[in-house]
Amino acid sequence: GENVEQHPSTLSVQEGDSAVIKCTYSDSASNYFPWYKQELGKRPQLIIDIRSNVGEKKDQRIAVTLNKTAKHFSLHITETQPEDSAVYFCAASFQGAQKLVFGQGTRLTINP
Amino acid sequence: KAGVTQTPRYLIKTRGQQVTLSCSPISGHRSVSWYQQTPGQGLQFLFEYFSETQRNKGNFPGRFSGRQFSNSRSEMNVSTLELGDSALYLCASSNGQSNSPLHFGNGTRLTVT
Repeated sequence: GENVEQHPSTLSVQEGDSAVIKCTYSDSASNYFPWYKQELGKRPQLIIDIRSNVGEKKDQRIAVTLNKTAKHFSLHITETQPEDSAVYFCAASFQGAQKLVFGQGTRLTINP
Repeated sequence: KAGVTQTPRYLIKTRGQQVTLSCSPISGHRSVSWYQQTPGQGLQFLFEYFSETQRNKGNFPGRFSGRQFSNSRSEMNVSTLELGDSALYLCASSNGQSNSPLHFGNGTRLTVT
């Protein structure tokens, strides 16, 4: 079936440290993996995405890695800042990228 | 460029009633998707429309329906509302091509009493 598992559900790190969130997916045909950040009361915002033809993508302090063989992908945030506090969702495409299946979310708290 | 616009932002309805939510995509986007967000189930896919045709559908009962107009604006309808339909309904738009990013609106918060 269509499933994306995300861990951990909550994560608390000290400001300046790194945070890692991991996801696994069930459909080997999935080929698009976006990450969204959702602050309280706001819409999910796309922060980075990766397609199955690459293994890693970086954008400043954010990076995503993909292991297609193992069917898992991870979000890495370095030098965390208080404004990184939010809920982060991973997702994987099914039946093409216009149908995303989301993980359950990770509530990230950055402690000053 | 204006983002995805959803109206209304908040709705309170009674069990058994029906409701219609509206979504205007980013200019030039032809695909509109709808998601339901609840604390227990997270973000769940409802359906996707492209050029006025439903292209993908999630696992929701037939009480949930939608449509898309020629200007790409979309509406979602829920009939015979149940308490469990209380949720944040999010609309997302994209250019409709494979692996194109989805951009979400601010959502409509529906409360069923």
